[in-house]
Amino acid sequence: SYVLTQPPSVSVAPGKTARITCGGNNIGSKSVHWYQQRPGQAPVLVIYYDSDRPSGIPERFSGSNSGNTATLTISRVEAGDEADYYCQVWDSSIDRVFGTGTKVTVL
Amino acid sequence: EVQLLESGGGLVQPGGSLRLSCAASDFTFSSYAMSWVRQAPGKGLEWVSAISGTGGNIYYADSVKGRFTISRDNSKNTLYLQLNSLRAEDTAVYYCAIDKAAGASNWFDPWGQGTLVTVSS
Repeated sequence: SYVLTQPPSVSVAPGKTARITCGGNNIGSKSVHWYQQRPGQAPVLVIYYDSDRPSGIPERFSGSNSGNTATLTISRVEAGDEADYYCQVWDSSIDRVFGTGTKVTVL
Repeated sequence: EVQLLESGGGLVQPGGSLRLSCAASDFTFSSYAMSWVRQAPGKGLEWVSAISGTGGNIYYADSVKGRFTISRDNSKNTLYLQLNSLRAEDTAVYYCAIDKAAGASNWFDPWGQGTLVTVSS
């Protein structure tokens, strides 16, 4: 099976930059998607195809993917960014897989 | 605005069955693949099953293969998930989501609000 490993938690002060990593074997060869899940709510897509933003998602959210690590970057962090974040990939051999999830805490 | 509304969750005994529904509106339902994704209490997301727009292609996670059945009725704009032989570890919020694809990848957007399935005696 294919495992996507994320840090359990990331803490960041308001106005600073949060970086959430998603590690997987040769993940750079796959397309990575990211979801935000606020407490008690359904997940929301914030980045697809490594670095594309759906309409309505602030430019503060960006993504990159290379080698064995994909990264979601949240610039100028706000209190409303406090949530769980999940990466996800698809591959013909592993189908749809989610990362372990990262809880972002705004200090 | 696209809407996905899940229903059918509840309390069921181990070994029991349940059918979940996902009513879709404000988009051409038959044109999109759909997926079910679940989340156990306090845990992460787990993809469960996917079905193509026509219903001709179906996929399952190994953890539910042989016990769960996904289906859709495009005339009713509704997605279903039949859950059989339920186990305690199937306890989760079950979300339906549009399963979008382009090139060599799939992603989920948007998601419904979820329905809770609790398997307990």
